Amino acid sequence: DIQMTQSPSTLSASIGDRVTITCRASQFTSTWVAWFQQKPGKAPKLLIYKASTLQTGVPLRFSGSGSETEFTLTISGLQPDDFATYYCQQYNSYPFTFGGGTKVEIK
Amino acid sequence: EVQLVESGGGLVQPGESLRLSCMASGFIFKSYEMNWVRQAPGKGLEWVAYISGGGSNIIYADSVRDRFTISRDNVKNSLFLQMNSLRAEDTAVYFCARDVSLGVLDHWGQGTLVTVSS
Repeated sequence: DIQMTQSPSTLSASIGDRVTITCRASQFTSTWVAWFQQKPGKAPKLLIYKASTLQTGVPLRFSGSGSETEFTLTISGLQPDDFATYYCQQYNSYPFTFGGGTKVEIK
Repeated sequence: EVQLVESGGGLVQPGESLRLSCMASGFIFKSYEMNWVRQAPGKGLEWVAYISGGGSNIIYADSVRDRFTISRDNVKNSLFLQMNSLRAEDTAVYFCARDVSLGVLDHWGQGTLVTVSS
């Protein structure tokens, strides 16, 4: 199974900050990586797929990059609605696996 | 509008069974692969099972193989998860998720809570 190691687990930031979350895959995953946002009591929401493709309707301040085993999610200009937990996920092979999550908190 | 609505969760004792349902609308259900993903209280996401559009290809996580069965009814636009021999560690919110292409999970239901406790 491909392990996804996400860091940091918690991140404190202020409105307007640029935030970067990293995900490392234990094996080659090409660009078959997605990023999700989840708020308490809600379902995950797809933000990015194929490492860098923005899902329809997702604000342009979200961006993804990376390939092979190293991936990043960047939020350029943190907004109040962005305080949530973020997960990376690989879909290169089954079983699909998720990172442990990064909780973005208000500083 | 794509909608996925799970149901069937509840409180059961260890060793008991439960059947979850996911009702789909707003898209041609039979054309899409579907998955179940779960989330234990306060924990991260864990993929559980996959089923192809026609139902002939199925994959399970090791943690549920031989206990859980994924199935679908393309006439009733419904996805199911039959869960047998439930354990405390199966306690989680269970989400159904649509695979729009090659593993991209683009729409999720709101989830249904399964609690396994004596």
